[in-house]
Amino acid sequence: QVQLVQSGAEVKKPGASVKVSCKASGYAFTAYYIHWVRQAPGQGLEWMGWINPNSGDTNYAQEFHGRVTMTRDTSISTVHMELSRLGFADTAVYYCAREKWVDTSMLFDSWGQGTLVTVSS
Amino acid sequence: EIVLTQSPGTLSLSPGERATLSCRASQSVRSGSLAWYQQKRGQAPRLLIYGASGRATGIPDRFSGSGSGTDFTLTISRLEPEDFAVYYCQQYGSSPPVTFGQGTRLEIK
Repeated sequence: QVQLVQSGAEVKKPGASVKVSCKASGYAFTAYYIHWVRQAPGQGLEWMGWINPNSGDTNYAQEFHGRVTMTRDTSISTVHMELSRLGFADTAVYYCAREKWVDTSMLFDSWGQGTLVTVSS
Repeated sequence: EIVLTQSPGTLSLSPGERATLSCRASQSVRSGSLAWYQQKRGQAPRLLIYGASGRATGIPDRFSGSGSGTDFTLTISRLEPEDFAVYYCQQYGSSPPVTFGQGTRLEIK
């Protein structure tokens, strides 16, 4: 079955960087885009960007341009999301999600379990 | 950017009742671009509805989606105890590609 398994929780100081990984299994890794979505405590869902695991092409949300980098390692079916210059507002649960198309409909059909990133001095 | 506004913010109902959740877009959304997710506390979101009205695999038929243009609705025909959660609508467009509504919390009355 399709599974996305994320790396464990992180605690970082302001100004530092964090790298979260998302390991895919149960499907052809390069056939589906992976998106990253974050959720601050008690808040809604915020889209961060996507990566095409086949080509490595990325598309980032404007709010994160210059701070986020998404990469992939096809040898281990894993995508990474690195966020730099962390501030307290970056404290959130970070999710990876698989993009799937059904006819002309785009959907996120599988999600990672989430990775809590805490920014604390 | 397409902004999705969900209403109400919180909906208080009892098991067995019917729930109607609204998602309004700031500009017209292609129906195939509108999805609904359910999120329970401490869990990742789960896909319920895609393409405005298509039910995802394994989703009970008490969940239904409808709408077009700028107005979309998620209906839960008869609430079960496990349905009390937060619900998000999401659209896929051009720039930015993905936006979410702010969520509707469905709580037990």
